[in-house]
Amino acid sequence: GAGVSQTPSNKVTEKGKYVELRCDPISGHTALYWYRQSLGQGPEFLIYFQGTGAADDSGLPNDRFFAVRPEGSVSTLKIQRTERGDSAVYLCASSPRGSPASGELFFGEGSRLTVL
Amino acid sequence: QKEVEQDPGPLSVPEGAIVSLNCTYSNSAFQYFMWYRQYSRKGPELLMYTYSSGNKEDGRFTAQVDKSSKYISLFIRDSQPSDSATYLCAMPRGGSNYKLTFGKGTLLTVNP
Repeated sequence: GAGVSQTPSNKVTEKGKYVELRCDPISGHTALYWYRQSLGQGPEFLIYFQGTGAADDSGLPNDRFFAVRPEGSVSTLKIQRTERGDSAVYLCASSPRGSPASGELFFGEGSRLTVL
Repeated sequence: QKEVEQDPGPLSVPEGAIVSLNCTYSNSAFQYFMWYRQYSRKGPELLMYTYSSGNKEDGRFTAQVDKSSKYISLFIRDSQPSDSATYLCAMPRGGSNYKLTFGKGTLLTVNP
């Protein structure tokens, strides 16, 4: 597709459940990022992939959060034992290469997660 | 003190007005400054990118950086209803252009 695609667009789950959020970056983009945007806040960095490997996972809040990108394209963000505080919009972004000179990240529309 | 402070608004102006959006920051190591625009239920999109102090103009948009005051601004001339969105300032940290620190965003409504 033309842009970053994220599924599902909305996810409602119960506290303690496991959730997977998927991101399909722009074709040809080698760098992929996950950000989290809580209500009324700006996005916060979670993790950066260059190719298949996580080059920087310093933003993951705890070990309940994990992300993979096994073939260097689609990425999945996995959240175990969800908590109400995990409710947010999870944004995926991509760029042609890591650390883009212009700082331009191409964001998807996000997956809105609600934990009841 | 948060690294980036931005008044969340909301800001409501009539069509044709000049809009001024601002952020302050505390980390003097920030060297690059960005403005992203985010429409409701959409992802942010890059609007302006500046490196040094001074002004940068792109159509109706002007980005201004004052590093001595740690203050950045975005001006929108001849504002249009289609400019109604949340405007987020952002700065890369740690020398990595992908690890952006965002302000909270200012919600702007331009009324026809």
